[in-house]
Amino acid sequence: QKEVEQNSGPLSVPEGAIASLNCTYSDRGSQSFFWYRQYSGKSPELIMFIYSNGDKEDGRFTAQLNKASQYVSLLIRDSQPSDSATYLCAVILNRDDKIIFGKGTRLHILP
Amino acid sequence: DARVTQTPRHKVTEMGQEVTMRCQPILGHNTVFWYRQTMMQGLELLAYFRNRAPLDDSGMPKDRFSAEMPDATLATLKIQPSEPRDSAVYFCASGSRTDSPLHFGNGTRLTVT
Repeated sequence: QKEVEQNSGPLSVPEGAIASLNCTYSDRGSQSFFWYRQYSGKSPELIMFIYSNGDKEDGRFTAQLNKASQYVSLLIRDSQPSDSATYLCAVILNRDDKIIFGKGTRLHILP
Repeated sequence: DARVTQTPRHKVTEMGQEVTMRCQPILGHNTVFWYRQTMMQGLELLAYFRNRAPLDDSGMPKDRFSAEMPDATLATLKIQPSEPRDSAVYFCASGSRTDSPLHFGNGTRLTVT
Protein backbone atom coordinates (compact mmCIF):
# COMPACT_ATOMS: atom_id res chain seq x y z
CA GLN A 1 0.00 0.00 0.00
CA LYS A 2 1.36 3.40 -0.95
CA GLU A 3 1.76 5.86 1.87
CA VAL A 4 -0.23 8.61 0.17
CA GLU A 5 -2.64 7.87 -2.67
CA GLN A 6 -4.51 10.15 -5.01
CA ASN A 7 -6.49 9.58 -8.17
CA SER A 8 -4.29 10.85 -11.00
CA GLY A 9 -7.21 12.21 -13.00
CA PRO A 10 -7.66 14.22 -15.06
CA LEU A 11 -10.68 15.51 -13.22
CA SER A 12 -12.76 17.77 -15.42
CA VAL A 13 -15.12 20.22 -13.73
CA PRO A 14 -17.27 22.94 -15.33
CA GLU A 15 -16.43 26.52 -14.42
CA GLY A 16 -18.40 27.65 -11.39
CA ALA A 17 -18.93 24.12 -10.05
CA ILE A 18 -17.34 22.47 -7.00
CA ALA A 19 -14.19 20.44 -7.54
CA SER A 20 -13.60 17.64 -5.06
CA LEU A 21 -10.16 16.13 -4.66
CA ASN A 22 -9.43 13.16 -2.44
CA CYS A 23 -6.40 11.63 -0.78
CA THR A 24 -5.90 8.59 1.44
CA TYR A 25 -2.93 7.76 3.62
CA SER A 26 -1.63 4.64 5.31
CA ASP A 27 0.09 5.88 8.51
CA ARG A 28 -2.74 5.93 11.03
CA GLY A 29 -0.73 8.07 13.44
CA SER A 30 -0.19 10.94 10.99
CA GLN A 31 -1.31 14.32 12.36
CA SER A 32 -0.40 16.93 9.75
CA PHE A 33 -1.78 17.21 6.23
CA PHE A 34 -1.20 19.65 3.39
CA TRP A 35 -2.59 20.48 -0.02
CA TYR A 36 -0.32 21.99 -2.66
CA ARG A 37 -1.10 23.29 -6.11
CA GLN A 38 1.41 22.90 -8.92
CA TYR A 39 1.13 24.56 -12.29
CA SER A 40 2.97 22.98 -15.21
CA GLY A 41 6.67 23.83 -15.06
CA LYS A 42 6.37 25.49 -11.65
CA SER A 43 7.09 24.46 -8.10
CA PRO A 44 4.41 23.30 -5.65
CA GLU A 45 2.75 26.05 -3.64
CA LEU A 46 0.88 25.57 -0.39
CA ILE A 47 -2.88 26.03 -0.47
CA MET A 48 -4.10 24.61 2.82
CA PHE A 49 -2.94 22.73 5.87
CA ILE A 50 -5.11 20.86 8.35
CA TYR A 51 -4.29 19.15 11.62
CA SER A 52 -7.69 18.45 13.22
CA ASN A 53 -10.64 16.33 12.18
CA GLY A 54 -13.38 18.23 10.41
CA ASP A 55 -13.45 21.09 7.94
CA LYS A 56 -11.16 24.06 7.50
CA GLU A 57 -12.19 26.84 5.16
CA ASP A 58 -10.05 29.49 3.46
CA GLY A 59 -11.82 31.51 0.80
CA ARG A 60 -13.00 29.19 -1.96
CA PHE A 61 -11.01 26.27 -0.53
CA THR A 62 -12.14 23.80 2.14
CA ALA A 63 -9.94 21.03 3.49
CA GLN A 64 -11.64 18.09 5.16
CA LEU A 65 -9.91 15.57 7.40
CA ASN A 66 -11.20 12.25 8.69
CA LYS A 67 -8.46 10.50 10.67
CA ALA A 68 -10.60 7.46 11.47
CA SER A 69 -11.04 6.76 7.77
CA GLN A 70 -7.57 8.05 6.91
CA TYR A 71 -8.59 10.44 4.19
CA VAL A 72 -8.23 14.09 3.53
CA SER A 73 -10.02 16.02 0.81
CA LEU A 74 -9.96 19.44 -0.80
CA LEU A 75 -13.05 21.20 -2.10
CA ILE A 76 -12.77 24.13 -4.48
CA ARG A 77 -15.96 26.17 -4.76
CA ASP A 78 -16.84 28.35 -7.74
CA SER A 79 -14.07 26.73 -9.80
CA GLN A 80 -12.18 29.05 -12.13
CA PRO A 81 -10.06 28.23 -15.19
CA SER A 82 -7.06 29.45 -13.18
CA ASP A 83 -7.65 26.54 -10.79
CA SER A 84 -6.56 24.13 -13.55
CA ALA A 85 -3.41 22.55 -12.15
CA THR A 86 -2.13 19.44 -10.41
CA TYR A 87 -3.08 19.20 -6.74
CA LEU A 88 -0.72 17.37 -4.43
CA CYS A 89 -1.64 15.90 -1.08
CA ALA A 90 1.16 15.68 1.51
CA VAL A 91 1.30 13.89 4.85
CA ILE A 92 3.81 14.01 7.69
CA LEU A 93 4.40 10.41 8.71
CA ASN A 94 4.07 9.91 12.44
CA ARG A 95 6.81 7.30 12.64
CA ASP A 96 9.67 9.41 11.28
CA ASP A 97 8.42 12.93 10.38
CA LYS A 98 9.01 12.38 6.67
CA ILE A 99 6.77 14.49 4.45
CA ILE A 100 5.43 12.26 1.71
CA PHE A 101 3.50 13.46 -1.32
CA GLY A 102 0.90 11.73 -3.39
CA LYS A 103 1.40 11.69 -7.14
CA GLY A 104 -1.20 14.38 -7.56
CA THR A 105 -4.55 14.83 -9.26
CA ARG A 106 -4.73 16.84 -12.48
CA LEU A 107 -7.70 19.19 -12.39
CA HIS A 108 -9.10 20.76 -15.53
CA ILE A 109 -11.73 23.47 -15.21
CA LEU A 110 -13.86 23.66 -18.33
CA PRO A 111 -14.75 27.26 -19.37
CA ASP B 1 9.23 37.99 0.62
CA ALA B 2 11.27 35.06 1.98
CA ARG B 3 11.85 32.21 -0.42
CA VAL B 4 13.94 29.12 -0.96
CA THR B 5 16.65 29.69 -3.55
CA GLN B 6 17.96 26.89 -5.75
CA THR B 7 20.81 26.98 -8.21
CA PRO B 8 21.26 26.25 -11.02
CA ARG B 9 17.77 26.46 -12.53
CA HIS B 10 18.78 24.24 -15.42
CA LYS B 11 21.66 21.85 -15.90
CA VAL B 12 22.53 19.78 -18.94
CA THR B 13 25.43 17.39 -18.55
CA GLU B 14 26.87 14.25 -20.03
CA MET B 15 26.64 10.87 -18.42
CA GLY B 16 29.42 10.28 -15.95
CA GLN B 17 29.85 13.92 -14.96
CA GLU B 18 29.43 15.25 -11.44
CA VAL B 19 26.41 17.42 -10.75
CA THR B 20 26.06 19.69 -7.73
CA MET B 21 22.77 21.38 -6.87
CA ARG B 22 22.54 24.04 -4.18
CA CYS B 23 19.77 25.28 -1.99
CA GLN B 24 19.48 28.24 0.36
CA PRO B 25 16.60 27.61 2.76
CA ILE B 26 14.47 30.40 4.17
CA LEU B 27 16.31 32.12 7.01
CA GLY B 28 15.29 30.62 10.33
CA HIS B 29 13.89 27.41 8.86
CA ASN B 30 15.36 24.33 10.50
CA THR B 31 14.13 21.53 8.23
CA VAL B 32 15.32 20.98 4.67
CA PHE B 33 13.98 18.38 2.27
CA TRP B 34 15.24 17.26 -1.15
CA TYR B 35 12.74 15.81 -3.63
CA ARG B 36 13.01 14.55 -7.19
CA GLN B 37 10.02 14.89 -9.49
CA THR B 38 9.34 12.88 -12.64
CA MET B 39 6.14 12.29 -14.56
CA MET B 40 6.15 8.62 -13.68
CA GLN B 41 7.08 8.76 -9.99
CA GLY B 42 5.82 12.14 -8.88
CA LEU B 43 7.64 13.80 -5.97
CA GLU B 44 10.04 11.33 -4.41
CA LEU B 45 11.74 12.14 -1.11
CA LEU B 46 15.50 11.81 -1.42
CA ALA B 47 16.79 13.16 1.90
CA TYR B 48 15.92 15.49 4.73
CA PHE B 49 17.67 17.42 7.46
CA ARG B 50 16.67 18.95 10.76
CA ASN B 51 18.96 21.52 12.35
CA ARG B 52 21.54 20.57 9.70
CA ALA B 53 21.62 16.93 10.84
CA PRO B 54 20.73 14.34 8.20
CA LEU B 55 17.71 12.35 9.41
CA ASP B 56 17.06 10.12 6.45
CA ASP B 57 18.52 9.61 3.02
CA SER B 58 17.02 6.21 2.29
CA GLY B 59 15.40 7.56 -0.86
CA MET B 60 18.73 8.22 -2.53
CA PRO B 61 20.88 5.81 -4.53
CA LYS B 62 23.71 5.63 -2.02
CA ASP B 63 26.46 4.81 -4.47
CA ARG B 64 26.04 8.00 -6.49
CA PHE B 65 24.03 10.56 -4.51
CA SER B 66 25.08 12.53 -1.47
CA ALA B 67 23.38 15.32 0.47
CA GLU B 68 24.96 17.68 2.95
CA MET B 69 24.29 20.86 4.90
CA PRO B 70 27.66 22.50 5.49
CA ASP B 71 25.92 25.39 7.26
CA ALA B 72 22.42 26.63 8.04
CA THR B 73 22.23 28.67 4.84
CA LEU B 74 23.34 26.00 2.37
CA ALA B 75 22.21 22.52 1.44
CA THR B 76 23.81 20.58 -1.40
CA LEU B 77 22.85 17.54 -3.43
CA LYS B 78 25.56 15.86 -5.47
CA ILE B 79 25.36 13.16 -8.08
CA GLN B 80 28.56 11.42 -9.09
CA PRO B 81 28.60 9.88 -11.63
CA SER B 82 25.39 11.09 -13.24
CA GLU B 83 23.28 8.81 -15.41
CA PRO B 84 20.49 9.52 -17.93
CA ARG B 85 17.91 8.08 -15.50
CA ASP B 86 18.78 10.91 -13.11
CA SER B 87 17.11 13.38 -15.47
CA ALA B 88 14.34 15.04 -13.47
CA VAL B 89 13.44 18.21 -11.62
CA TYR B 90 15.05 18.38 -8.19
CA PHE B 91 13.30 20.45 -5.55
CA CYS B 92 14.57 21.72 -2.26
CA ALA B 93 12.02 22.74 0.37
CA SER B 94 12.36 24.14 3.86
CA GLY B 95 10.11 24.37 6.91
CA SER B 96 10.15 26.30 10.16
CA ARG B 97 9.53 23.28 12.37
CA THR B 98 8.75 19.59 12.20
CA ASP B 99 4.99 19.86 11.66
CA SER B 100 4.93 22.98 9.51
CA PRO B 101 4.30 23.13 5.77
CA LEU B 102 7.22 23.17 3.38
CA HIS B 103 8.12 26.06 1.13
CA PHE B 104 9.60 25.00 -2.19
CA GLY B 105 12.36 26.45 -4.29
CA ASN B 106 11.95 26.82 -8.05
CA GLY B 107 13.77 23.57 -8.68
CA THR B 108 16.74 22.47 -10.76
CA ARG B 109 15.85 20.84 -14.05
CA LEU B 110 18.57 18.27 -14.72
CA THR B 111 19.12 16.63 -18.08
CA VAL B 112 21.78 13.93 -18.37
CA THR B 113 22.61 12.90 -21.92
